[in-house]
Amino acid sequence: QKEVEQNSGPLSVPEGAIASLNCTYSDRGSQSFFWYRQYSGKSPELIMFIYSNGDKEDGRFTAQLNKASQYVSLLIRDSQPSDSATYLCAVTSYQKVTFGTGTKLQVIP
Amino acid sequence: EAQVTQNPRYLITVTGKKLTVTCSQNMNHEYMSWYRQDPGLGLRQIYYSMNVEVTDKGDVPEGYKVSRKEKRNFPLILESPSPNQTSLYFCASSLGPRDSSFTDTQYFGPGTRLTVL
Repeated sequence: QKEVEQNSGPLSVPEGAIASLNCTYSDRGSQSFFWYRQYSGKSPELIMFIYSNGDKEDGRFTAQLNKASQYVSLLIRDSQPSDSATYLCAVTSYQKVTFGTGTKLQVIP
Repeated sequence: EAQVTQNPRYLITVTGKKLTVTCSQNMNHEYMSWYRQDPGLGLRQIYYSMNVEVTDKGDVPEGYKVSRKEKRNFPLILESPSPNQTSLYFCASSLGPRDSSFTDTQYFGPGTRLTVL
């Protein structure tokens, strides 16, 4: 069973701080890596994807990928209360997609 | 508006009564997929489809069927629902794989909350 693991949280950070979310995966053949945000009762929506080692930045969000360590992370700078949600890590291997169980983030005003 | 639609949004049914959850996308996407989401287990892939008449099993296909007769539609069929299929179901679509990689973003429908009594 190919696995994607995330700490379920909740991860609590004060407003304005950096939130760091982590994800590890077991399949070395994994090709693409996604971070989705899901508000309670809503469907997941994409924040970022990354498929090369290193960092990828988009506004307040930075995704980091280390394939040797089988590790992908998401940093959220200047965290806002509206960032409070569950963050899902997804990993693809050819056509199959495996999600982690998600990390709940709480940004405290 | 580009979107993935699912119907019904909420459904309460009884054990053994066949049901179909419809999924439709208007983005001309090749790839479509069904997931179920359960507390503590996250999103798990049930079936996916690369294109018309091409479907394959995900991680939890038991008790489900799918078909892909048209590019835009990907219905999920529960021939004989059981209480352990009570869950939140999401349909998703994406452009599809490029060569041997799969880098496309998935767009999710609003979800169908199914209760099987």
